Amino acid sequence: GNSVTQMEGPVTLSEEAFLTINCTYTATGYPSLFWYVQYPGEGLQLLLKATKADDKGSNKGFEATYRKETTSFHLEKGSVQVSDSAVYFCALSDGGGGGSNYKLTFGKGTLLTVNP
Amino acid sequence: GAVVSQHPSRVICKSGTSVKIECRSLDFQATTMFWYRQFPKQSLMLMATSNEGSKATYEQGVEKDKFLINHASLTLSTLTVTSAHPEDSSFYICSAAPFTGSLGYTFGSGTRLTVV
Repeated sequence: GNSVTQMEGPVTLSEEAFLTINCTYTATGYPSLFWYVQYPGEGLQLLLKATKADDKGSNKGFEATYRKETTSFHLEKGSVQVSDSAVYFCALSDGGGGGSNYKLTFGKGTLLTVNP
Repeated sequence: GAVVSQHPSRVICKSGTSVKIECRSLDFQATTMFWYRQFPKQSLMLMATSNEGSKATYEQGVEKDKFLINHASLTLSTLTVTSAHPEDSSFYICSAAPFTGSLGYTFGSGTRLTVV
C-alpha cells in the first residue's frame, strides 16, 4: 500500500535560517505529491504540489521537487519567518483511475517552530 | 478560490448523545468529500469517503454505525457521531474535491469534539 514517511520533529529554527523537511514515499504507479500546512487549531491548507516526476512545486518561498529516482519530495525554504511556525504534512494521492476518489495518504507531520 | 466551511468549530457534548458536524463547499459543487480524524500531535486518519447520492465508503476499522455520513447534496456532507463517548473526543476535518478524481482538495477548518 501507499505510505509517506517524513522526518519527525519538532524542528526549531531561528528566523532567517534554512529549512529542510524530508519526505519519502512508497506508492504503486505515479502518485501526485503535496505539502500541507496546519496552523494551531485550524484545518489544513495546501502549500504546494507536484503531479509528475521532476516537477517543482513552490509557494510562499517554499519549494519541493518530485524526485522519482529517490521517491522523495523534500520541503525547503531559504529563510524562515516566525509566521512559518506550524505543522507541515507531506501527502500523496494515488492515481486511482476509472473515477476513483484519489485518497490522500499523509505523513505524520512535522512541527516547525521559528524563534525570533 | 474554493472554500469549504465546517461547522461547528468546537462542540462539547455529554456521553451518550449524538453530534452532527457539517461540511459545506461554498463556491463549488463537491461530488466527493472526505472525513478525517486527527489525534493530538498525530497525522490525519481518513475515516470515510463521501459521495453525493450514494453510501459513504468507510476505511477499515471505522464503525459506520457510529460515524454516520450523509452527502445529500453537492454542497453538503454531514458526519454524525452517534452515542458519543469520551474516546470519540478528537479533531475532525473534512475536505472536498470539485469532481471525482480532482486533485483540488480543499480542507475545512476542523471541528474540535469533546465528549464529557
